[in-house]
Amino acid sequence: GIQVEQSPPDLILQEGANSTLRCNFSDSVNNLQWFHQNPWGQLINLFYIPSGTKQNGRLSATTVATERYSLLYISSSQTTDSGVYFCAVKNYGGATNKLIFGTGTLLAVQP
Amino acid sequence: KAGVTQTPRYLIKTRGQQVTLSCSPISGHRSVSWYQQTPGQGLQFLFEYFSETQRNKGNFPGRFSGRQFSNSRSEMNVSTLELGDSALYLCASSFGTNGELFFGEGSRLTVL
Repeated sequence: GIQVEQSPPDLILQEGANSTLRCNFSDSVNNLQWFHQNPWGQLINLFYIPSGTKQNGRLSATTVATERYSLLYISSSQTTDSGVYFCAVKNYGGATNKLIFGTGTLLAVQP
Repeated sequence: KAGVTQTPRYLIKTRGQQVTLSCSPISGHRSVSWYQQTPGQGLQFLFEYFSETQRNKGNFPGRFSGRQFSNSRSEMNVSTLELGDSALYLCASSFGTNGELFFGEGSRLTVL
């Protein structure tokens, strides 16, 4: 099945710094989502981005489907950005909502 | 509009017992899928329902089952609980069978 790899696994930043999280996937996808898992466990939707570039405030994401990767940019990081960031994809083809998750990037933003 | 609602949020069971978790999707969403999150295995797909039909199932033993009702609400059941079933169980809803998924806050199960 499709493999999803995220890097880096861990990241420590000072407040105000910028960061880039990467998601590589091994096959064609027709859905890619970025999530932030809050301390209580809920997955918060950041981007639905099977291709192209989107921006939402200090966050932006780019997916290059032909090269099988996606990037999540966090600018001017804040302590509230801390948590785990997941990339999840759906294999191309078939009507299914089965998401394959990466192992996540644990981000710690220090004041 | 209200998000995905999962109940109960926390529960503690002992080995051998069974548990039922509930998920109410976003109004108008007809697809519900379930995921298990553990520290060792990460987030794994359990099953998916659309219009009361199971469309897809992950690689889990038969002790894990689910169903969906006519109002799109879904339940999952785990019988004969094992220690390894301790996990965060997340439910997601989507409007159709190939769109953006929205997750609930999860049900955290501890098996003693």
